[in-house]
Amino acid sequence: AQRVTQPEKLLSVFKGAPVELKCNYSYSGSPELFWYVQYSRQRLQLLLRHISRESIKGFTADLNKGETSFHLKKPFAQEEDSAMYYCALPPDDMRFGAGTRLTVKP
Amino acid sequence: DTGVSQDPRHKITKRGQNVTFRCDPISEHNRLYWYRQTLGQGPEFLTYFQNEAQLEKSRLLSDRFSAERPKGSFSTLEIQRTEQGDSAMYLCASSSKGPETQYFGPGTRLLVL
Repeated sequence: AQRVTQPEKLLSVFKGAPVELKCNYSYSGSPELFWYVQYSRQRLQLLLRHISRESIKGFTADLNKGETSFHLKKPFAQEEDSAMYYCALPPDDMRFGAGTRLTVKP
Repeated sequence: DTGVSQDPRHKITKRGQNVTFRCDPISEHNRLYWYRQTLGQGPEFLTYFQNEAQLEKSRLLSDRFSAERPKGSFSTLEIQRTEQGDSAMYLCASSSKGPETQYFGPGTRLLVL
């Protein structure tokens, strides 16, 4: 069964420090993975998708099929990055991980 | 605001009562999704429509839950005989292609007392 796992419920870093939010998936086939973000009092929104291989707000994520991972990384965290981050996996519907709450401290 | 809208934003009800939520998708989107999100969890898929056809339902959608999308526009999600375990945020999303392009609404927070 397709599933995504985010092992960290909470992650706290200082401003300017690197950040990595972990996501592991279980999927038979060639997966397409996404990261969604929800800032305080805002709607859930797409941050990036692996197929586009782009950097959004300084975040990147690489699909590692060998490790079945899709970790989200940013070299220098900013306070405005504080939010809930969800890893998600289609195809028929979106399966979300439990989420990681990132707090970037000043 | 041309985004996805949901009504009401908050609902408090007593156990055993019926509740109905409405979702208005982005006008040109033909796909509409319902999710449920409980505290500390990510959104869980409930069901989705393509136009007026309900194409998939999760096993989470018990017999007490029903969703409709008449005329392929807005959708309603009804919960009959609510239980305390139904307390959650109910999210609606719409897309013009697949789930990868979906836009989320603000959600309806349900509290069952």
